[in-house]
Amino acid sequence: DAGVTQSPTHLSKTRGQHVTLRCSPISGHKSVSWYQQVLGQGPQFIFQYYEKEERGRGNFPDRFSARQFPNYSSELNVNALLLGDSALYLCASSFLPSTEAFFGQGTRLTVV
Amino acid sequence: EDQVTQSPEALRLQEGESSSLNCSYTVSGLRGLFWYRQDPGKGPEFLFTLYSAGEEKEKERLKATLTKKESFLHITAPKPEDSATYLCAVQISLTGNQFYFGTGTSLTVIP
Repeated sequence: DAGVTQSPTHLSKTRGQHVTLRCSPISGHKSVSWYQQVLGQGPQFIFQYYEKEERGRGNFPDRFSARQFPNYSSELNVNALLLGDSALYLCASSFLPSTEAFFGQGTRLTVV
Repeated sequence: EDQVTQSPEALRLQEGESSSLNCSYTVSGLRGLFWYRQDPGKGPEFLFTLYSAGEEKEKERLKATLTKKESFLHITAPKPEDSATYLCAVQISLTGNQFYFGTGTSLTVIP
């Protein structure tokens, strides 16, 4: 069985640009969460979606947005990129919002 | 303020030298505590979920325990392949289902 898949694995963008990151959850999982992990820190919660509805939002600016599709895959969008947005972006899926989350390999975003 | 603190930040062990990692938390309404292992440049790998004080879970050389204020991850006779960063995360019922992660303990096991 495939685990959580994220694309792309690496990405380089220029300040001010926009980026879209994609995530496919484990088959049967209906909840997807997004996290940002800066080097040397633990993951920081950005969003959680369940059945296409937003169930939680972390302390991130409005430049960050996300959505979940009918097939439960998800996109994370970041507008007006800043140098500080450089990080590993992790997607996690779970059967329900409250159950253990399984993470993908992440997308390494570099903003120059 | 809700907090999750892991200690030590880094730990070097000789192969076979058992030790424990600590995760202390000050949160309201703990729903669950989760342990993950993370290798460099990869996503966290799920290890354990603990829901109530006194609960214990085991997997190979790892054993996780939970009290009302902290959790321990005990590593018995570690091997070099156990080298990784170990993260704990708490799930708080009052703020929904998001996880609050600690900063992790970087474990190095020397052959």
